[in-house]
Amino acid sequence: NAGVTQTPKFQVLKTGQSMTLQCAQDMNHNSMYWYRQDPGMGLRLIYYSASEGTTDKGEVPNGYNVSRLNKREFSLRLESAAPSQTSVYFCASRLTGNQPQHFGDGTRLSIL
Amino acid sequence: EDKVVQSPLSLVVHEGDTVTLNCSYEVTNFRSLLWYKQEKKAPTFLFMLTSSGIEKKSGRLSSILDKKELFSILNITATQTGDSAVYLCAVEMNYGGSQGNLIFGKGTKLSVKP
Repeated sequence: NAGVTQTPKFQVLKTGQSMTLQCAQDMNHNSMYWYRQDPGMGLRLIYYSASEGTTDKGEVPNGYNVSRLNKREFSLRLESAAPSQTSVYFCASRLTGNQPQHFGDGTRLSIL
Repeated sequence: EDKVVQSPLSLVVHEGDTVTLNCSYEVTNFRSLLWYKQEKKAPTFLFMLTSSGIEKKSGRLSSILDKKELFSILNITATQTGDSAVYLCAVEMNYGGSQGNLIFGKGTKLSVKP
């Protein structure tokens, strides 16, 4: 009963390095989301994918790219990491508009 | 600007106390309001509210929405140490499709002392 699985759980990068965060869900959900959570800021939406084959920007998309590889997988890429991208990243998925989003356990990313 | 405001930001109570957490919002095209509980890792879903005045209950937790005054409350009765967590309120806006995005408040950190 995996739900939403994120890898890796922790990562330390140097400024300028690139990195892809992986997310997979096994609930046959249509929509998937990437959030970042910073102290005192709450969760903020980076990108989302309403359905397989579509992606759209959220509130804070700068410095990130995404790929909806198939219905199960939605990846988040940092092309050139910056210290301001130090955060906890959460992936979420949802079946339909009348259902809540379900979250993964997060990836804690530190950029030095 | 769309926003969700939670209060208080933190709260310390003793086991057995009853607590009320508040969430007010100002958003265009409101669709639903959700409550999540976040312990160390993933936020876990508690309630989704779409209609005013209808209380949702799950054990010692309950929640209600007031769409006229634009707020919701989350009540926890007979608190236990296991209720210690950050409680997140989020509002979904109606974009007409199935991808209505969530705007989160900053959360209320609840600490329950034995």
